[in-house]
Amino acid sequence: NAGVMQNPRHLVRRRGQEARLRCSPMKGHSHVYWYRQLPEEGLKFMVYLQKENIIDESGMPKERFSAEFPKEGPSILRIQQVVRGDSAAYFCASSPTLRAQSGANVLTFGAGSRLTVL
Amino acid sequence: QKEVEQDPGPLSVPEGAIVSLNCTYSNSAFQYFMWYRQYSRKGPELLMYTYSSGNKEDGRFTAQVDKSSKYISLFIRDSQPSDSATYLCAMNKDDYKLSFGAGTTVTVRA
Repeated sequence: NAGVMQNPRHLVRRRGQEARLRCSPMKGHSHVYWYRQLPEEGLKFMVYLQKENIIDESGMPKERFSAEFPKEGPSILRIQQVVRGDSAAYFCASSPTLRAQSGANVLTFGAGSRLTVL
Repeated sequence: QKEVEQDPGPLSVPEGAIVSLNCTYSNSAFQYFMWYRQYSRKGPELLMYTYSSGNKEDGRFTAQVDKSSKYISLFIRDSQPSDSATYLCAMNKDDYKLSFGAGTTVTVRA
């Protein structure tokens, strides 16, 4: 089991360009979550998706950011017209169900995609 | 005020020492409490989770939750150099959205 796969691991963009980050969840996991980690800050929830559906995007900026999880293929986090403040590590996580039998939402995280905006 | 407060450290201890980590939080609705370990340039890895108040032990790791004080702790006994990492506390209500602390960086010196 390859775990949660994210690519690219590192991405450098100039201001105004687009960034696309990909996430393949663990085999058998149908729930995908994106978190952003800024320097010296904790991970912040961005969006929760199931196949072909955005369940909750309340943590995502209203403009320039979008996410999808198509029927086939990886989940994509897209940032248009990037600005320096978008520089961060973006982590994807997945879970097989919304909650484990214990009741906790147990997430498996990928290694992250580190975006640098010049 | 942040929803979850965690001292960033850094914390440096000799091998074999007990590492004590903690977080405080403000939202009394939190019910599930987790500790993640994150090695440099890697993703967070779940160590332990507990529900509501109480203690939970797993090998060298002990997690404690005191909901009355809104305070959670993680203790690592007989620490090893391989325990050197950033430790993140996380918590949530009865939903999927995790709230994380900023993480405490721990170095265990051989």
